Amino acid sequence: QSVLTQPPSVSAAPGQKVTISCSGSSSSIGNNYVSWYQHLPGTAPKLLIYDNDKRPSGIPDRFSGSKSGTSATLGITGLQTGDEADYYCGTWDSSLSGYVFGTGTRVTVL
Amino acid sequence: QVQLVESGGGVVQPGRSLRLSCAASGFTFTGYAIHWVRQAPGKGLEWVAVRSYDGSSKYYAESVKGRFTVSKDKSKSTLYLQMNSLRAEDTAVYYCTRAASSRSGNFDYWGQGTLVTVSS
Repeated sequence: QSVLTQPPSVSAAPGQKVTISCSGSSSSIGNNYVSWYQHLPGTAPKLLIYDNDKRPSGIPDRFSGSKSGTSATLGITGLQTGDEADYYCGTWDSSLSGYVFGTGTRVTVL
Repeated sequence: QVQLVESGGGVVQPGRSLRLSCAASGFTFTGYAIHWVRQAPGKGLEWVAVRSYDGSSKYYAESVKGRFTVSKDKSKSTLYLQMNSLRAEDTAVYYCTRAASSRSGNFDYWGQGTLVTVSS
């Protein structure tokens, strides 16, 4: 049972922008760094954002992350068909003493 | 290059045990925490467990606490996930991934995953 809540799905046309929210608590997002992952079926998840807003080498700047209080947001601009995937936020939860993933959001390019 | 390779998955009956392996190469194994993450069929990602870089800390998800144990081979760069008292709900693809620390979510490299099916 996830303690991070995401919308089940978001969609937009190619070239447009989508944002995905991730809502947590003071023990999770409120006091820990947030990461975002892209997951395509049958493949390993891919790190998109870490430490709230940092992009690993090789991740285009179309992907951005932000955090405010107990919520975080992933933004994807210039949407491409290759961006169709499931996206998860994640963070450490100090109360649970464990890492937690969000419920996941399916991005559809119309 | 950095590689994480899981093995040991398969079909197992409820109540039985299975041990997964995560073989690491291309980086200093003792400099990273190794996490286990799973995805059940049709479900989202679920964090399972972590072993800190030096083995001094191990944390487990509530769903596996008391049944799963992480350990490291003394001489190899291999981490194990010992899974006991398996249940149908443990059926999933299991991934190992590395991070800078136990509490860090900078999971920059992942294995390809190994499928565990718990069924009679």
